[in-house]
Amino acid sequence: NAGVTQTPKFQVLKTGQSMTLQCAQDMNHEYMSWYRQDPGMGLRLIHYSVGAGITDQGEVPNGYNVSRSTTEDFPLRLLSAAPSQTSVYFCASIQRLGGELFFGEGSRLTVL
Amino acid sequence: QQPVQSPQAVILREGEDAVINCSSSKALYSVHWYRQKHGEAPVFLMILLKGGEQKGHDKISASFNEKKQQSSLYLTASQLSYSGTYFCGTEVNTGNQFYFGTGTSLTVIP
Repeated sequence: NAGVTQTPKFQVLKTGQSMTLQCAQDMNHEYMSWYRQDPGMGLRLIHYSVGAGITDQGEVPNGYNVSRSTTEDFPLRLLSAAPSQTSVYFCASIQRLGGELFFGEGSRLTVL
Repeated sequence: QQPVQSPQAVILREGEDAVINCSSSKALYSVHWYRQKHGEAPVFLMILLKGGEQKGHDKISASFNEKKQQSSLYLTASQLSYSGTYFCGTEVNTGNQFYFGTGTSLTVIP
């Protein structure tokens, strides 16, 4: 089983460029989410989705867009990258409240 | 929304015990505990659902005090493999929102 797959694993951008981090899960999970991890800050919730067509903001949504057109995919878009968005990004999914959260391997993004 | 963890860091010798605490200002449906090694994704340890249960996993156990919205992770007779950063994750009752604490760095030395 693939679980949660994130791509790319590494990316370097210049300020102002745009990009999309891809996330796909094959477990038919309704809930998917994106986190960013910075030293000393733990994992902070960016956006989440409770099902196809439904998305909502987390703690730090500014500068990021998401969409959920299918149950499997939950891409994260950076429209105009800034150095403050340099971070490690994790996608995660969960079947239902009270279930285990499954993480992707992470995407390390550097914005110059 | 982010739960508060304490301590921020702890250093243990092999065989010693440790307790990591997690508290939230929101009513919780569940508390999760994860361990993360450097450069890797967090790995699931256990879930505690509201009801004040306690769970165990080898020499690692946890409790959840629903009234205080607090959880504690207990590591007994620590091993070198326990080193890493421990995160509590909380599901709030009001929706499908899942938040993590800032983490506790645990280092076990010989």
